[in-house]
Amino acid sequence: KNEVEQSPQNLTAQEGEFITINCSYSVGISALHWLQQHPGGGIVSLFMLSSGKKKHGRLIATINIQEKHSSLHITASHPRDSAVYICAALSGSARQLTFGSGTQLTVLP
Amino acid sequence: NAGVTQTPKFQVLKTGQSMTLQCAQDMNHNSMYWYRQDPGMGLRLIYYSASEGTTDKGEVPNGYNVSRLNKREFSLRLESAAPSQTSVYFCASTATYGYTFGSGTRLTVV
Repeated sequence: KNEVEQSPQNLTAQEGEFITINCSYSVGISALHWLQQHPGGGIVSLFMLSSGKKKHGRLIATINIQEKHSSLHITASHPRDSAVYICAALSGSARQLTFGSGTQLTVLP
Repeated sequence: NAGVTQTPKFQVLKTGQSMTLQCAQDMNHNSMYWYRQDPGMGLRLIYYSASEGTTDKGEVPNGYNVSRLNKREFSLRLESAAPSQTSVYFCASTATYGYTFGSGTRLTVV
């Protein structure tokens, strides 16, 4: 049973569109990470949040602890945003991550 | 550059061979982790080390051993590689805020 669920699995958008990726989790968490992975590349942490909302450039992440739900938004999407976006729940005294299966985003010019 | 350094980046092994994946971080982080990434499965925790001198099993530890050599280094050993261990391996470290990942090791066992 996957304790972190992401949707959609795949997303294709036109350049300039507003994009939303959703993440639901069933475990108790201390924080939630949004990660980005480019093809063949490493993993970069975009956000770590435990409440409310964070913004960095065109990226916005929100979390609702009561509903166990988080969203990642990309405004004015660009082809360079094409990547896999992964949400991961941070929990436990050892601060382990439980990962969603990722959302493959393709932004077309 | 500060971060997590993994070696090697690519490796091909024959079934039954052994190898060690190396990981080092220079951020003075206490906790270090080894994850594997498989298509359709997401990343899964193999082993972790919450602090120097301690190691614990994660979700998929079978076939692996680890050593936390010092605060900086955390190695992952495959004693007898199997095709099921073909995967991309990521080392990561964390302190209070954020996670930092290595660039990954793509391992193929034939």
